[in-house]
Amino acid sequence: GENVEQHPSTLSVQEGDSAVIKCTYSDSASNYFPWYKQELGKGPQLIIDIRSNVGEKKDQRIAVTLNKTAKHFSLHITETQPEDSAVYFCAASIQGSSNTGKLIFGQGTTLQVKP
Amino acid sequence: SAVISQKPSRDICQRGTSLTIQCQVDSQVTMMFWYRQQPGQSLTLIATANQGSEATYESGFVIDKFPISRPNLTFSTLTVSNMSPEDSSIYLCSVRTGGGKLFFGSGTQLSVL
Repeated sequence: GENVEQHPSTLSVQEGDSAVIKCTYSDSASNYFPWYKQELGKGPQLIIDIRSNVGEKKDQRIAVTLNKTAKHFSLHITETQPEDSAVYFCAASIQGSSNTGKLIFGQGTTLQVKP
Repeated sequence: SAVISQKPSRDICQRGTSLTIQCQVDSQVTMMFWYRQQPGQSLTLIATANQGSEATYESGFVIDKFPISRPNLTFSTLTVSNMSPEDSSIYLCSVRTGGGKLFFGSGTQLSVL
């Protein structure tokens, strides 16, 4: 089955710097890759996602890139702010009419943005 | 997106008892899921809650321990039965919208003494 590896497990940056979190997946059939942000005491919040038919997607300060050949995808946060501090999870799934599109999550990255 | 209300938000329970967690969605959704997040860990899928039929459980999870109901397209419950301290986790309800995106409720923080 699918396996998702996420690195690093913790990341500390200065406010204003960029942060990059990387994930690799094992199943080449995976075609949907969301990223979630989880703040303390809250459920995961979908912040951006990408499908396998594109290589990059951007939404303001966050972007995701996908390399299907290498089977890895990355989250990029620019101009980080203290409120970006949270745990970030990547995930992968196979979405189609014949399956439930079960999400397999990475292990999570704790991002700390220092003021 | 979808607005997902989950109750209770937290509970402290004695071992051997059971707790039922409720999940209410503000719109009809076909796919509802229950996840477990153990302390400091990632999310693990427990089961897919199927409307009008038995839930589909992932490997390592069984119906006797985690019975699930899905009486309609906006509501589901997860029961954690015969609890032990190892069941202390965050339990999360999630739904998939028509666009294929998965959204989560705020979770139920369960502590078993």
